[in-house]
Amino acid sequence: GIQVEQSPPDLILQEGANSTLRCNFSDSVNNLQWFHQNPWGQLINLFYIPSGTKQNGRLSATTVATERYSLLYISSSQTTDSGVYFCAVPSWWETSGSRLTFGEGTQLTVNP
Amino acid sequence: DAGVIQSPRHEVTEMGQEVTLRCKPISGHDYLFWYRQTMMRGLELLIYFNNNVPIDDSGMPEDRFSAKMPNASFSTLKIQPSEPRDSAVYFCASSFETGFSGEQYFGPGTRLTVT
Repeated sequence: GIQVEQSPPDLILQEGANSTLRCNFSDSVNNLQWFHQNPWGQLINLFYIPSGTKQNGRLSATTVATERYSLLYISSSQTTDSGVYFCAVPSWWETSGSRLTFGEGTQLTVNP
Repeated sequence: DAGVIQSPRHEVTEMGQEVTLRCKPISGHDYLFWYRQTMMRGLELLIYFNNNVPIDDSGMPEDRFSAKMPNASFSTLKIQPSEPRDSAVYFCASSFETGFSGEQYFGPGTRLTVT
């Protein structure tokens, strides 16, 4: 099955700083999603981005499918951006069939 | 649309009791997924349905777990009997048409504690 690696595992920022989170995957994909899990545990869809670049307010994402990575940019970070950021890709596992494989996440803490 | 709806949001129960978690997918979505999240194992897919039919239940940990989808707008995940190691956050998600290639939307989750 596909391997998904996220970096950095932890990130601490001061409010107002910018950051870049990375997601590497080991095989070609036709779908990639970025999620934000807030401190209350909710998984919020950020981007569905199989390729190219998308922007939503202070957040943007770029997926370069040919090079098997995706980047999530957070600009002018706010304390409400704190939480865990996951990327996820669909994959086929011989033992368990098709499923969405999640990275281990980046824990972001934004301090006031 | 209200998004994926799950109930209850929190459940505390004693070992040996039956637990039923409920999910209402986004209207028009024909794929429904049940996930479990723990610190040790991260997010795991338990089972998924397409058009109310279970497609892959290989992630269901054991026979104590069962899931049903009697119609397009409702699904249940049942644990009987529950054990402390079942304590986790259980998420339901839904997507349109292409399942794993489509965008999945998650519900708020049910935090289950088994004492």
